[in-house]
Amino acid sequence: GQNIDQPTEMTATEGAIVQINCTYQTSGFNGLFWYQQHAGEAPTFLSYNVLDGLEEKGRFSSFLSRSKGYSYLLLKELQMKDSASYLCAVLDSNYQLIWGAGTKLIIKP
Amino acid sequence: GAVVSQHPSWVICKSGTSVKIECRSLDFQATTMFWYRQFPKQSLMLMATSNEGSKATYEQGVEKDKFLINHASLTLSTLTVTSAHPEDSSFYICSAREENRASDVSEQYFGPGTRLTVT
Repeated sequence: GQNIDQPTEMTATEGAIVQINCTYQTSGFNGLFWYQQHAGEAPTFLSYNVLDGLEEKGRFSSFLSRSKGYSYLLLKELQMKDSASYLCAVLDSNYQLIWGAGTKLIIKP
Repeated sequence: GAVVSQHPSWVICKSGTSVKIECRSLDFQATTMFWYRQFPKQSLMLMATSNEGSKATYEQGVEKDKFLINHASLTLSTLTVTSAHPEDSSFYICSAREENRASDVSEQYFGPGTRLTVT
């Protein structure tokens, strides 16, 4: 079966750094996405990795290791507005998105 | 950037009635649109893949006679929840993939979602 695992909830302090991990087992791989979703809103795109390595985009970075079936999203200089759920999703061999359950990130002052 | 709209944003209906949700790609053509459902504190669940001019492909466990999908044009897909019941109350989100952008697989845009409450 296809499976994506990420922690259910994480807590971090404003101004700090947090790393959200995602491991996956899917039928084929055509890339991994990270989305941010605030409560009651649709997901918004953060990053897309298809090759191994680190992609940096401002305060957010995403890393991928295809051999390990592993990715992480790194958030630096945390702000209160970063409190949200972060969804990991993998595009499988049929170009369908397989979603993780999401990690709820709580930022404390 | 590409924009996807949904209408209505929220709807309350009585049990047994039908509700139609529209998903529009505003500035691009979408041959493929996706319909998701999200229950509180859960991840997105793909309900069906909608292809312009053909029948939708439903995921296992999704009743195609209850959730009617029509994708009559390259910019509009509709989801009709027929004979809605309280357990259908959920957040329904559509997304659209831009036509002829298969080489750029990151181009999938989400609508703002529709919150359905069935009383």
